Amino acid sequence: GESVGLHLPTLSVQEGDNSIINCAYSNSASDYFIWYKQESGKGPQFIIDIRSNMDKRQGQRVTVLLNKTVKHLSLQIAATQPGDSAVYFCAENSGTALIFGKGTTLSVSS
Amino acid sequence: DTGVSQDPRHKITKRGQNVTFRCDPISEHNRLYWYRQTLGQGPEFLTYFQNEAQLEKSRLLSDRFSAERPKGSFSTLEIQRTEQGDSAMYLCASSFGSDTQYFGPGTRLTVL
Repeated sequence: GESVGLHLPTLSVQEGDNSIINCAYSNSASDYFIWYKQESGKGPQFIIDIRSNMDKRQGQRVTVLLNKTVKHLSLQIAATQPGDSAVYFCAENSGTALIFGKGTTLSVSS
Repeated sequence: DTGVSQDPRHKITKRGQNVTFRCDPISEHNRLYWYRQTLGQGPEFLTYFQNEAQLEKSRLLSDRFSAERPKGSFSTLEIQRTEQGDSAMYLCASSFGSDTQYFGPGTRLTVL
């Protein structure tokens, strides 16, 4: 079946640095992607989403980039803070079920 | 708090027992989803409801699992004859149509 995956299982950054978390997807027909943040013992928290008619979308300190040619999306976090430490998942919205990758654990040291 | 809520937050049970979890979605959301998440993995889809109708079930949802949403509001997920392999975090999410799904805090199930 189709799947969404992440390139790196872990990412360690210093406070104040910019973080980039990557995700590759395999279903070229996918048209809606979401990034979630999950802290230990909590449910996934919506961060930002993007539809296939866009290449870039910005939120507060976060930017998502979508490259449909190579089926890749990324989440950029500006001025990373210790509170950003969590597991980040990209998910593909099939119209009903979300299909999640395995996640990237972001560790921010001060 | 107007987010998705789940109860209980933690459940420890013995193998063979039945357990039931409850989810209360965001009030204006017509869709409700159940996912299961094991350690180190992303959530996996189990089933979803649109209003009171259960429209899709994953192959992961064995015969021992049943979900209901009788009045199109809260939902329950029951696991009968629990097995150690059922130990996981059970997550509920809700959405309006196919828009963004918002998750609850989850119910952590431990089967001894």
